[in-house]
Amino acid sequence: DGGITQSPKYLFRKEGQNVTLSCEQNLNHDAMYWYRQDPGQGLRLIYYSQIVNDFQKGDIAEGYSVSREKKESFPLTVTSAQKNPTAFYLCASSIGARFGDDEQFFGPGTRLTVL
Amino acid sequence: GENVEQHPSTLSVQEGDSAVIKCTYSDSASNYFPWYKQELGKRPQLIIDIRSNVGEKKDQRIAVTLNKTAKHFSLHITETQPEDSAVYFCASGGYQLTFGKGTKLSVIP
Repeated sequence: DGGITQSPKYLFRKEGQNVTLSCEQNLNHDAMYWYRQDPGQGLRLIYYSQIVNDFQKGDIAEGYSVSREKKESFPLTVTSAQKNPTAFYLCASSIGARFGDDEQFFGPGTRLTVL
Repeated sequence: GENVEQHPSTLSVQEGDSAVIKCTYSDSASNYFPWYKQELGKRPQLIIDIRSNVGEKKDQRIAVTLNKTAKHFSLHITETQPEDSAVYFCASGGYQLTFGKGTKLSVIP
């Protein structure tokens, strides 16, 4: 299960606060992704990055921000503009095939709770 | 955007029986169709995937079929075992994967 790490495992946030979730990979993968998972729902894509210093919005990017300054790191900031941030957040990475048709490896996730 | 429908949402089978989960997708440009297994509180893990130039793929007890014309793909698990109990997700796309809402499979010993 090594290769992608996320921290912290559990995170509690007060309303109005920004929080940053960490994602690191040592697989030398070019592509990285952030998903949100709610109970009874599938994974929904927040942001993805195909290469360093570049990223694109996914289906539910509003209220989130990312950066990709290093190949191995893709932190996600949940801003106060995100109206319902309580969820399980999963980071993933892949080799970065030309058409994106390669396996995505997931981290262990961060469970964010807004108090 | 892409829309992925997954059925059924829950499935119970007797140990040793087969299980079938079906997904439909809307974007004809989608070229990659992975299936993930997620155990409670854990990360999703890829169990099998298929690309648009292939109609069927098998790996031991697990198989996936793809019908691009009808825009649907299915997961088949044969000789089910209790450790197959989990939530299974299908997905469709390329870099932007759209996931189904999942199927909770319970294998009854």
